[in-house]
Amino acid sequence: EAGVAQSPRYKIIEKRQSVAFWCNPISGHATLYWYQQILGQGPKLLIQFQNNGVVDDSQLPKDRFSAERLKGVDSTLKIQPAKLEDSAVYLCASSLGRGLYEQYFGPGTRLTVT
Amino acid sequence: KNQVEQSPQSLIILEGKNCTLQCNYTVSPFSNLRWYKQDTGRGPVSLTIMTFSENTKSNGRYTATLDADTKQSSLHITASQLSDSASYICVVSAYGQNFVFGPGTRLSVLP
Repeated sequence: EAGVAQSPRYKIIEKRQSVAFWCNPISGHATLYWYQQILGQGPKLLIQFQNNGVVDDSQLPKDRFSAERLKGVDSTLKIQPAKLEDSAVYLCASSLGRGLYEQYFGPGTRLTVT
Repeated sequence: KNQVEQSPQSLIILEGKNCTLQCNYTVSPFSNLRWYKQDTGRGPVSLTIMTFSENTKSNGRYTATLDADTKQSSLHITASQLSDSASYICVVSAYGQNFVFGPGTRLSVLP
């Protein structure tokens, strides 16, 4: 079965610019997660979708970050405007559902803000 | 506050040796604990998932233990291989809440 796909794999932008990341989860997975992983740290949940509805976005900096999951499949995470501290790897994960279901992670997008 | 701590921060061992990684948590009410392996430049991959009633679970050369009373878990790697070089992340979930990730232990296996 195909895994979680993410693009781009790498992105370099200047501060105050905008950037968008794309995620295609495993087919049939209802739950989709976006994580931010700063170098040397564990991932931090930004937002969780159940189908196309938001379940948890309590740690999403909503003044600059936004995310959507059109038709309950693909998802896009946007940062506008970017700050230096947004430099991190952005991981997308999906699972069949919430609770004890396995999470499958994509390879991540490494963002560098200069 | 829900927190997950891991030790050591980093570890270097020789190929063929065993090692044990530690995880302490304060997440409550406890639902499940997971160990992930994250290779450099890749997303985490699940090794084990344990619920409250499970105190040990194995996946090949990886064996995880859980003591829900002391809120501690360990991941034991037997007969290490060069490919075991990675970060190992402990993740704890509370009922009705999302996952709390630990900072990870960076393991380097040398020939």
